[in-house]
Amino acid sequence: AQKVTQAQTEISVVEKEDVTLDCVYETRDTTYYLFWYKQPPSGELVFLIRRNSFDEQNEISGRYSWNFQKSTSSFNFTITASQVVDSAVYFCALSAGANSKLTFGKGITLSVRP
Amino acid sequence: SAVISQKPSRDICQRGTSLTIQCQVDSQVTMMFWYRQQPGQSLTLIATANQGSEATYESGFVIDKFPISRPNLTFSTLTVSNMSPEDSSIYLCSSVTGDGQPQHFGDGTRLSIL
Repeated sequence: AQKVTQAQTEISVVEKEDVTLDCVYETRDTTYYLFWYKQPPSGELVFLIRRNSFDEQNEISGRYSWNFQKSTSSFNFTITASQVVDSAVYFCALSAGANSKLTFGKGITLSVRP
Repeated sequence: SAVISQKPSRDICQRGTSLTIQCQVDSQVTMMFWYRQQPGQSLTLIATANQGSEATYESGFVIDKFPISRPNLTFSTLTVSNMSPEDSSIYLCSSVTGDGQPQHFGDGTRLSIL
């Protein structure tokens, strides 16, 4: 069975602070995919990144960066110089294949104060 | 990426009634999924909508309560039957195109049952 744990439930930071959102996963599959989605207050689910289990390279996209470590089964997400618009719920998710159903963590509510 | 439209975007329904939610994708997709997000909670998969055959339901969800149709490769419906206040949730449709694109979601249907 697959499982995603987001131990942090709520994080509050002041604008321009860096913040890291943790994600730990469990799976018996040798091939799997990890995702991060953002859900702003408006409710839609916005895709941020997908990583497959064979690609442990860290990725940076603007102020966003992701650290994938198979040794610790973690896929952490860092926002640098946070902004108020980053305020949202962030979900980490796991799937067994590129086209498979997603197992979501419980989500982390990030509040960025001006 | 595929654009997913869901209708209605929100509704308020009476206890004991049923509501059908529509999900339309602007291109043919291989997989379509229905998720439920209860208030303040994460997303839980209800079922995988299979084109031309019965949907595959996750544990805890049954066809009598959540009948699903998928008559073609771009359209699916989810019916929430005999609704009770516990069914108040956001219902989201997602799709996978099968060409390597990640799973994307519709904007969701916010359902409230009185």
